[in-house]
Amino acid sequence: GAVVSQHPSRVICKSGTSVKIECRSLDFQATTMFWYRQFPKQSLMLMATSNEGSKATYEQGVEKDKFLINHASLTLSTLTVTSAHPEDSSFYICSAQGLAEQFFGPGTRLTVL
Amino acid sequence: AQSVTQPDIHITVSEGASLELRCNYSYGATPYLFWYVQSPGQGLQLLLKYFSGDTLVQGIKGFEAEFKRSQSSFNLRKPSVHWSDAAEYFCAVGAGTNAGKSTFGDGTTLTVKP
Repeated sequence: GAVVSQHPSRVICKSGTSVKIECRSLDFQATTMFWYRQFPKQSLMLMATSNEGSKATYEQGVEKDKFLINHASLTLSTLTVTSAHPEDSSFYICSAQGLAEQFFGPGTRLTVL
Repeated sequence: AQSVTQPDIHITVSEGASLELRCNYSYGATPYLFWYVQSPGQGLQLLLKYFSGDTLVQGIKGFEAEFKRSQSSFNLRKPSVHWSDAAEYFCAVGAGTNAGKSTFGDGTTLTVKP
C-alpha cells in the first residue's frame, strides 16, 4: 500500500526554539495533506489541512502563526512549531490523501524541555 | 456537528476469544465511517470503511464491522483475537470518502491475554 513517512520520528528541543517536521508521500502525489495532534491516551485532533501550492486551512483554535505549514510539492508538507513551549509537547501525525483513502504517517514525538 | 463515542476505554480479551468494539456516532446526513488501528508510537492503519451498500463490511486482518442506522452504531468485530491485535482502535465519522476531515473517537485500548 501507499506509504507516508515523517521525519524526524522523535525530537527533543529547548523551550523557545523552532522545530520542523516533514511529511512525505513516498509513492504517490498528494495535493492534500492533514496534520493532527494526539495527546497521550487521547484521540487525534485535526490541526490543519495542507494544500499544495496554497495556504493551509487551520481548524478553530489552532494558531497559524505558531504552527506554520508549507506544502511546497505534491509529495512534501512541513509543519514548523515556532517558539516551542512545553505545552506543545505531543505526538504529531500527518496524513496524505490518496485516491480512495487517507494514508497516515508514523508520527513524530515532540518533547519540549 | 458530527461526533463519535467509543464507550469502552479499555477492553481485555483472551487470545482466541471473540471481540466487539463499540462505536456510536452522531451525524446529520449519511455518514462515512472508518475504523483505524494504531500500534504504540505508530500512525493509523485503516481497517475498514463504510460508505454505502452492504451494511456488513469486511476489512483487513479478519475484522468486520456492521453499520446499524437505527442505532447509530458501527461496531467492530473479530471472531478470534490474536495477540498481535493488541493496540488502540479508533472509530471515525466523516463527510467524505477520505477520512481527512473526519472526527475521531477517543479510542479503545485492546489488551490480549495469553
